[in-house]
Amino acid sequence: QKEVEQNSGPLSVPEGAIASLNCTYSDRGSQSFFWYRQYSGKSPELIMFIYSNGDKEDGRFTAQLNKASQYVSLLIRDSQPSDSATYLCAVSFTGTASKLTFGTGTRLQVTL
Amino acid sequence: GAVVSQHPSRVICKSGTSVKIECRSLDFQATTMFWYRQFPKQSLMLMATSNEGSKATYEQGVEKDKFLINHASLTLSTLTVTSAHPEDSSFYICSATSGTSYNEQFFGPGTRLTVL
Repeated sequence: QKEVEQNSGPLSVPEGAIASLNCTYSDRGSQSFFWYRQYSGKSPELIMFIYSNGDKEDGRFTAQLNKASQYVSLLIRDSQPSDSATYLCAVSFTGTASKLTFGTGTRLQVTL
Repeated sequence: GAVVSQHPSRVICKSGTSVKIECRSLDFQATTMFWYRQFPKQSLMLMATSNEGSKATYEQGVEKDKFLINHASLTLSTLTVTSAHPEDSSFYICSATSGTSYNEQFFGPGTRLTVL
């Protein structure tokens, strides 16, 4: 069974700190990896995606991918209270075309 | 770009009735649309994958006769919950992909269904 695992949290970080969110996946052949943010009662919003090993930066967000370790992470620099949300990791597994498998999400709380 | 709309945003219905939810891609042609369901404090559960002009592919455990999906055009997919029961109350979310290499999915705002 193809799985995506995340720590449910909550992960609490002070305002201005770096938040580090982690995700592991079971299928070594996975090709595309996505991070979504979901506020309570709202639908997910795409933050960024990554498909090559290494880092990808977009503003305050950095996605890191290590295919050998089957690990993808999201770093949020200068965390703001508005970043408080649930962050969903999603993986496109080999042979599933455009279908994504989502983790259960990590709840992030940025405190003042 | 990549805007997906859903209608209605909220619906309350009586048990036994049918409810139709529309999902539209507003500024791109969606080769594939997906329907998810999310119960409180749980993650997204994929219900079905829908391609324009063909039958939807349902995930294991999802009743295709209860959750009817029609993907009539490259910008519109509909989900009809037939003979709704209280246990069908949930947050239904659609997403769409334009078929780019990395298959990013863009989500609609969701429909909160309450069955009395």
